[in-house]
Amino acid sequence: SQTIHQWPATLVQPVGSPLSLECTVEGTSNPNLYWYRQAAGRGLQLLFYSVGIGQISSEVPQNLSASRPQDRQFILSSKKLLLSDSGFYLCAWSQSSYNSPLHFGNGTRLTVT
Amino acid sequence: RKEVEQDPGPFNVPEGATVAFNCTYSNSASQSFFWYRQDCRKEPKLLMSVYSSGNEDGRFTAQLNRASQYISLLIRDSKLSDSATYLCVPPPGRDDKIIFGKGTRLHILP
Repeated sequence: SQTIHQWPATLVQPVGSPLSLECTVEGTSNPNLYWYRQAAGRGLQLLFYSVGIGQISSEVPQNLSASRPQDRQFILSSKKLLLSDSGFYLCAWSQSSYNSPLHFGNGTRLTVT
Repeated sequence: RKEVEQDPGPFNVPEGATVAFNCTYSNSASQSFFWYRQDCRKEPKLLMSVYSSGNEDGRFTAQLNRASQYISLLIRDSKLSDSATYLCVPPPGRDDKIIFGKGTRLHILP
């Protein structure tokens, strides 16, 4: 069966520090991969998605970036965090075929201080 | 225009009651939808898939009305554990993006 791993679960980082969140998927190949962010009390905001290795689509201009160095690995990064980057970050995957639902990782709760 | 629209609620419903909420969508070509539930401070989890006219799973029934372009979720004999935010999600478009709305908050009252 397919599983998705996301870490760390919680993170407290000072403003201006770098960020690296990692997400891996097991049990499937060539998945679509997504990064979402959810601010407190708000809906999910799509940040990045990828349909293949090295293929990244960005939804929002900001100081975050994403990379997909391997088929089932998706990394979210920042060189310098802002206070506004605080939130709940969720990685998700889906089959690359139409009509496939998303499956989420457990999320990373990031607090920028 | 948003892809999906949901009443944000909250819906405050006594335990044991039946509750239903709708989700309207703008893309008439959409042929399937998904209902997710999200508990406070947790990730969304797939609740039901709706591929044709409807789907039923225990106390939950989802229906797709193509003519009126809405999807409904019916919860019978509601439990306290049904309290959550319910998200209606269309499948990805040609660009593979999957956009979530804010969902509908449901509170089951004891």
